[in-house]
Parts: sequence; structure tokens; C-alpha cells
Amino acid sequence: QITLKESGPTLVRPTQTLTLTCTFGGFSLSSSGVGVGWIRQPPGKALEWLALIYWDDDKRYSPSLRSRLIITKDTSKNQVVLTMTNVDPVDTATYYCAHRNIRLEYAFAIWGQGTMVTVSS
Amino acid sequence: ENVLTQSPGTLSLSPGERATLSCRASQSVTSEYLAWYQQKPGQAPRLVIYGASSRATGIPARFSGSGSGTDFTLSISRLEPEDFAVYYCQQCGNSPETFGQGTRVEIK
Repeated sequence: QITLKESGPTLVRPTQTLTLTCTFGGFSLSSSGVGVGWIRQPPGKALEWLALIYWDDDKRYSPSLRSRLIITKDTSKNQVVLTMTNVDPVDTATYYCAHRNIRLEYAFAIWGQGTMVTVSS
Repeated sequence: ENVLTQSPGTLSLSPGERATLSCRASQSVTSEYLAWYQQKPGQAPRLVIYGASSRATGIPARFSGSGSGTDFTLSISRLEPEDFAVYYCQQCGNSPETFGQGTRVEIK
């Protein structure tokens, strides 16, 4: 059974760096075709795709946030980390990580429960 | 970036009625890369359709997807109470991946 869980701070001050960790189980991020993505959702708004990392370390980023995002994986710990620099109140959102296996479907088949992050002074 | 525009913004229907949701892309999307998600309040999104027309695991047969190129549709043949939610389309074919703004299906 595939599971994912996001963790990180609930409150971050403006201009600080936000570090979110996705800890997963039931799959290996070294298996061909597997990827983990990050998606966020401001309160009452739509989903926004942020970044994605694949088994072969291929990394993709949202162009509008590219300069502020870094996505990395630690296959030994079954974790994917998303770092966002210089946060602003507009970054207040629920952040989700999600699993993909492109050998099965090009979509996010399994999602974490999400973690709410508030950016405020 | 490939902008996805969903319509209508809100669909007010009664249980038992048919729902038809539209997702229009600004650039052509290969069908393999078009997905639909359902999201209920306070919950994470749930994959409903992938590859434009394939139902995800555990999704009832009343859900169906169709379309190609720039126009895609999610249909729910007979709405059940648990189907009232917000639905998002997503394209995974070109980076950056993008989501539509969502269609809310509400009880009339």
C-alpha cells in the first residue's frame, strides 16, 4: 500500500526559507517510472503544480517559482524534500506531495493528506 | 504554459441527474496526459480519470472521460450524493504541468 505524508512548519515568517518533507512508503523512488510531485492549494483556491522529481533524478519546476524552489530525494530514507526560499504571505497554502508511476498512468494516483503552511509575521 | 480552462465554474444539479464538465486547453494535449481529480472539503484530491478516459482504481462506472486535442469532458451519468465535490483537470504532457481552476458540482 502506497502512502505519503507531508511534514514541516505550520508558521513561517516572510523572507524565511520553507522546508517541507514528504515521507513515503510502499514504493521505491529508485524504481523506473516512479516520481513524486509537490502541489499546493491556497485557501479556497485551485491546485497549483510546483515541482516533480523522477527516479532518475530528472527534476521539473514551475517556471514562476523556479528561482525559489529546490526538490531533492533521499531514496535511503524514502523522502522527498521541497525547499522554498524567500517566502511571502501569498505562499500560504496547503502543500501536498503525490506519487506517480508513468509505467501505469501519467497522473498523481496517490496523494498525501497535505500540510497547511501559513506565512505571516 | 498550457492553460486549462474549466467550465462551468459551478454546476447545480440534483441527485440522479447527469453532470457534464468541460476542460479546454490552450495547447493540444496528448490524451495519455490528461487527468481528472475529485476533491471534497478538507480532503486531498483523488484521481478519477487518467489518460483522458481510463477510470482510476475504485472509481465507479458512472464516471467517464472523453475528448482529445484541446477539448476534454468528464461525465457523471447519474449523480450520487457522494459525487458533489470540486473537480479539477490536469495536463501532465508538457512541463510545467498545469491544473484547471476547477468546477464545483453542488446540490441544487
